[in-house]
Amino acid sequence: AQSVTQPDIHITVSEGASLELRCNYSYGATPYLFWYVQSPGQGLQLLLKYFSGDTLVQGIKGFEAEFKRSQSSFNLRKPSVHWSDAAEYFCAVGEVGQGGKLIFGQGTELSVKP
Amino acid sequence: GAVVSQHPSRVICKSGTSVKIECRSLDFQATTMFWYRQFPKQSLMLMATSNEGSKATYEQGVEKDKFLINHASLTLSTLTVTSAHPEDSSFYICSARDSSKGRETQYFGPGTRLLVL
Repeated sequence: AQSVTQPDIHITVSEGASLELRCNYSYGATPYLFWYVQSPGQGLQLLLKYFSGDTLVQGIKGFEAEFKRSQSSFNLRKPSVHWSDAAEYFCAVGEVGQGGKLIFGQGTELSVKP
Repeated sequence: GAVVSQHPSRVICKSGTSVKIECRSLDFQATTMFWYRQFPKQSLMLMATSNEGSKATYEQGVEKDKFLINHASLTLSTLTVTSAHPEDSSFYICSARDSSKGRETQYFGPGTRLLVL
């Protein structure tokens, strides 16, 4: 069965430091992959997505993610974190041919310290 | 960008009453919308897929008679929690798929926080 794993429940980084949030998936074929961000009490905002092509994907707010088929990973990165990046981050895989259903990882809560 | 709205943003109701939550795609047509439920500090769990003009498809374990979904137009889907009980208290989030903008891209509403007393 398809699944998404975000190994880190909570990460704390210093403002200005680099960030990498991990995401591993289990899927039979090449999946559609997404990263979303959620601020407290809010809905989800799409940061970036991967469907095909270049495995390094650029998103909004300075985020990028790299699809590595051999590792079944789609890690999210940002070279310099800002205090406003503190939020919950969700990785999701879209089920091809299933009408767009998304399976979400457990989420990673990012805290940013001054 | 694509905007999805939800109404109301928060609702408090008494146990046994029904609550309707609206999800609207404001600047695009959505033949498919999704309803999720999120408990505190947890991930989103898909409840059902709402297709315009047809019956919703419910995920395993979701009571279709309790969570009524109607998708009467290309821009509106509603979720009605019937005979709500305290255990139905949760954060309900909808999303809408913009088929014209690339496959499988969903845009999420801001969520509705339901508290059943």
